[in-house]
Amino acid sequence: QTVVTQEPSFSVSPGGTVTLTCGLSSGSVSTSHYPSWYQQTPGQSPRTLIYSTNTRSSGVPDRFSGSILGNKAALTITGAQADDESDYYCMLCMDSGISVFGGGTRLTVL
Amino acid sequence: EKQLAESGGGLVEPGGSLRLSCAVSGFIFTNAWLHWVRQAPGKGLEWVGRIKSRAGGETTDYAAPVKGRFIISRDDSKTTVFLQMNSLKIEDTAVYYCSVDSGHSVAWWGQGTLVTVSS
Repeated sequence: QTVVTQEPSFSVSPGGTVTLTCGLSSGSVSTSHYPSWYQQTPGQSPRTLIYSTNTRSSGVPDRFSGSILGNKAALTITGAQADDESDYYCMLCMDSGISVFGGGTRLTVL
Repeated sequence: EKQLAESGGGLVEPGGSLRLSCAVSGFIFTNAWLHWVRQAPGKGLEWVGRIKSRAGGETTDYAAPVKGRFIISRDDSKTTVFLQMNSLKIEDTAVYYCSVDSGHSVAWWGQGTLVTVSS
């Protein structure tokens, strides 16, 4: 069974830079997995940040960026702000046609 | 304006069935691929399944926990996507979101509808 891995938690200082990663329990993540990233605050619907590895969704500020780093997908937030404190999820598309979310990373800004 | 509005959630007993609907507007619906995603209380996001457009053969794919029990369908004339859920289990309790695909991702989200499976 495919498992998508994310750091359970991360912290960043206001104004700092943080990189969250998204990996596979077996194998490497590539652009053919069309990595996407989502932000969710409690009680709200998720918000799409990045799709197809590095394309920002409409209205997403350019301090959010996506990439492939080594064998993982990555979401980098530069100039972190207090309202970036959220849960972040990645999703990968598998060759079989199914998609799988990672377990999510809780980001704290302090 | 792009909008997705789920409906049909509620309380159902284990083993029962429920049909969710999602009315979609502001998109060229006939070209859209549509996903269902769920989130159990206090848990993370879980991809449920996806239906491609008519041009894509209306092909469906499902996550392993729901395969064989859930069916996704669409009515392009009503710009609506459906999730038929059968043989419901307690662990299917979640908020269910419908969404429109872009670039093989979940791009636009509805507000979600709560399904509670309990006796």
